[in-house]
Amino acid sequence: NAGVTQTPKFQVLKTGQSMTLQCAQDMNHNSMYWYRQDPGMGLRLIYYSASEGTTDKGEVPNGYNVSRLNKREFSLRLESAAPSQTSVYFCASTFGDGQETQYFGPGTRLLVL
Amino acid sequence: GNSVTQMEGPVTLSEEAFLTINCTYTATGYPSLFWYVQYPGEGLQLLLKATKADDKGSNKGFEATYRKETTSFHLEKGSVQVSDSAVYFCALTSSGGSNYKLTFGKGTLLTVNP
Repeated sequence: NAGVTQTPKFQVLKTGQSMTLQCAQDMNHNSMYWYRQDPGMGLRLIYYSASEGTTDKGEVPNGYNVSRLNKREFSLRLESAAPSQTSVYFCASTFGDGQETQYFGPGTRLLVL
Repeated sequence: GNSVTQMEGPVTLSEEAFLTINCTYTATGYPSLFWYVQYPGEGLQLLLKATKADDKGSNKGFEATYRKETTSFHLEKGSVQVSDSAVYFCALTSSGGSNYKLTFGKGTLLTVNP
């Protein structure tokens, strides 16, 4: 099993450009999450999907949209990138059954100029 | 709301030294508590967890005990190795219906020198 995979690994954007970060898991997990990691801030939840067909805002949703394409895939879209969105983005998944060990992908490093 | 406070780093130790990273939390109800570790250039992975008061989580020589009376979950290891150099995150669950979410501390960078 590959676990949680993310693409791309690294991306440079200009202000105003758009892009989609892809995430997929092969563990048959129900819940999926997008976080951003900034120095000194820990991880902050952007959006999550408790189950296929549902999405909800997290702590810092502004400037982002998400799509739960199917049970395996959960994408994060930046419609008009801003320098404040320069960060490392992590996708995670879990069964959502109360055991709550979240499994993380390797991350996407995004630089917005 | 829920929050996690962990000691700020960086923490620098010599190999075989004793490690403590403090973590305290604020939460409603009965959260589960976690320590995650992030090695350089990688995503986070679960190190250990505890799901109820007085439980002790342990893995790879690390331990942490869920102390409800002091709302703490301090991470300890008796003898650290260079390979333990990483960022450590304390976290807890918050539940809203069936939508379990993790709240993270800001992370503590540990560097172990030979």
